[in-house]
Amino acid sequence: GQQVMQIPQYQHVQEGEDFTTYCNSSTTLSNIQWYKQRPGGHPVFLIQLVKSGEVKKQKRLTFQFGEAKKNSSLHITATQTTDVGTYFCAGPRGSQGNLIFGKGTKLSVKP
Amino acid sequence: DGGITQSPKYLFRKEGQNVTLSCEQNLNHDAMYWYRQDPGQGLRLIYYSQIVNDFQKGDIAEGYSVSREKKESFPLTVTSAQKNPTAFYLCASQMRSNQPQHFGDGTRLSIL
Repeated sequence: GQQVMQIPQYQHVQEGEDFTTYCNSSTTLSNIQWYKQRPGGHPVFLIQLVKSGEVKKQKRLTFQFGEAKKNSSLHITATQTTDVGTYFCAGPRGSQGNLIFGKGTKLSVKP
Repeated sequence: DGGITQSPKYLFRKEGQNVTLSCEQNLNHDAMYWYRQDPGQGLRLIYYSQIVNDFQKGDIAEGYSVSREKKESFPLTVTSAQKNPTAFYLCASQMRSNQPQHFGDGTRLSIL
């Protein structure tokens, strides 16, 4: 069945270093969404990418959607302790609006 | 203030007991979802509902049941048939297909 894979599973960085998480789908996606879950919290929507090759920025966060619409990445420049959490990508499954989530990348930032 | 309310925040289940997790939303969203989250497993879909009085099984529906009698409410019952219920349960709602999902604060369920 359809799968969404994320790597790495964990990433430990020093504050100020950059961070990237990669998301790969087994099928072509109409769109991809990214969520952030702080420790002890719930997932919060960050962004949705729809177009092939799309790049969107939110301050220090850069999101990309691959040309084939099967992969995506999230890059954080100069991480801060406030970036700590787990980042999930998710793509639609079927026509009913369900999302299939990757297992997430857990980011820890050492001050 | 619009949002999704899950209760209780913590729940303990005894052997052979059914427990019900509450999820209420005032966002006027049509679709609602229940996910289970285990460490390192991401979010796994239990049940979802696109409209009132209709719902479908997700990937891990065995041992769970739901109802959708009102647009605002989507309670999840963890039955005694679910042998490993300890997890973090998240409820989400969505305005329509391909829109972002909004999550509640979650319920942590443990076995006594």
